Amino acid sequence: NAGVTQTPKFQVLKTGQSMTLQCAQDMNHNSMYWYRQDPGMGLRLIYYSASEGTTDKGEVPNGYNVSRLNKREFSLRLESAAPSQTSVYFCASNHRGHSYEQYFGPGTRLTVT
Amino acid sequence: AQSVTQLGSHVSVSEGALVLLRCNYSSSVPPYLFWYVQYPNQGLQLLLKYTSAATLVKGINGFEAEFKKSETSFHLTKPSAHMSDAAEYFCAVTRREGGKLIFGQGTELSVKP
Repeated sequence: NAGVTQTPKFQVLKTGQSMTLQCAQDMNHNSMYWYRQDPGMGLRLIYYSASEGTTDKGEVPNGYNVSRLNKREFSLRLESAAPSQTSVYFCASNHRGHSYEQYFGPGTRLTVT
Repeated sequence: AQSVTQLGSHVSVSEGALVLLRCNYSSSVPPYLFWYVQYPNQGLQLLLKYTSAATLVKGINGFEAEFKKSETSFHLTKPSAHMSDAAEYFCAVTRREGGKLIFGQGTELSVKP
């Protein structure tokens, strides 16, 4: 089992460029999440997908879109990157009804110049 | 609304000393509580969780935490710190019926030789 995988690991964008962060899990989890981590602020939820075919906004959704492609994959898209989106992005998954512990990917470190 | 407060963004202990990382939560409903650890340039790994069974919860690497409802606390302890414990630690809370995690700001633990 690879668990939760994320690509790419690192990315540098210029302001206004777009990109998609990919996430996949092989644990047959029904729920998937995207967080951003900034110093002193912990992890903040951007979007989540409680089940295949549904997505909902989290705490900081502005500037992002998501797609739950299938049960395994959940992508995060930045349509027009801004310096304020410089952060480390984590994808996570869990199976609701099983204590709600989430399993995290290794993260994508994004810098927007 | 739920929230989590971690007291102290940075804690430094000597090797062999007691580790105490503080977490207080607010929740209008019985919560599930978690401690995660993040080693440098890695994702988050679950240390332990409280899901309404025993109030004293034992986790990996010798860590434990006690759920105290009267104090709305879930402090993390380890009797004897090891150099390998140096990392950032996050406390998180979720409602039992929903899978979204609310994270604290994180506490960076340093261990001095």
